[in-house]
Amino acid sequence: QKEVEQNSGPLSVPEGAIASLNCTYSDRGSQSFFWYRQYSGKSPELIMFIYSNGDKEDGRFTAQLNKASQYVSLLIRDSQPSDSATYLCAVTDDKIIFGKGTRLHILP
Amino acid sequence: DTAVSQTPKYLVTQMGNDKSIKCEQNLGHDTMYWYKQDSKKFLKIMFSYNNKELIINETVPNRFSPKSPDKAHLNLHINSLELGDSAVYFCASSQDLGTSGAYEQYFGPGTRLTVT
Repeated sequence: QKEVEQNSGPLSVPEGAIASLNCTYSDRGSQSFFWYRQYSGKSPELIMFIYSNGDKEDGRFTAQLNKASQYVSLLIRDSQPSDSATYLCAVTDDKIIFGKGTRLHILP
Repeated sequence: DTAVSQTPKYLVTQMGNDKSIKCEQNLGHDTMYWYKQDSKKFLKIMFSYNNKELIINETVPNRFSPKSPDKAHLNLHINSLELGDSAVYFCASSQDLGTSGAYEQYFGPGTRLTVT
């Protein structure tokens, strides 16, 4: 069975530091990789997607993909209290599979 | 202007009842989805429709029946509700499957279903 694994957390990071969120996946044929942010009681919101090996940067967010290691990560620079949320990793080939999410807590 | 909307936001009902949740998107997307997020926050896809045709039908009880009258709407009808159906149900949409935008999904606000 195809799986997407994330540490459930909570991951506590001081304000202004770099938050590093990790995700591994089991299906080597996976094609596309996504990070969604979900605030408590709200719907998931797409924040990053990456299709190729390497890094992709968008503002304070960097997604990193290593297909050989079946590993995708999200770095959040200059963490803010507003970044406190659950971050869902999602992986696709013929369908999308979500991880269970990592709760991130930014300490003021 | 709301991109993906769902109604109702909250739904409380008794076991055995039949209920529907409606979803509409104004993004011009061709593909729409239904997800279930349980109490442990695990988000699992239930159905996917592309241009009014069922594409993905995960292993869900046949008490759940999606209906797509047009590509902007995807409704979810649930028969004979059970306690285990209590969850948050999210509708989502994306560009056509097979395009670079596939699976870049936009979610509705969710419908919290409570079965008593």
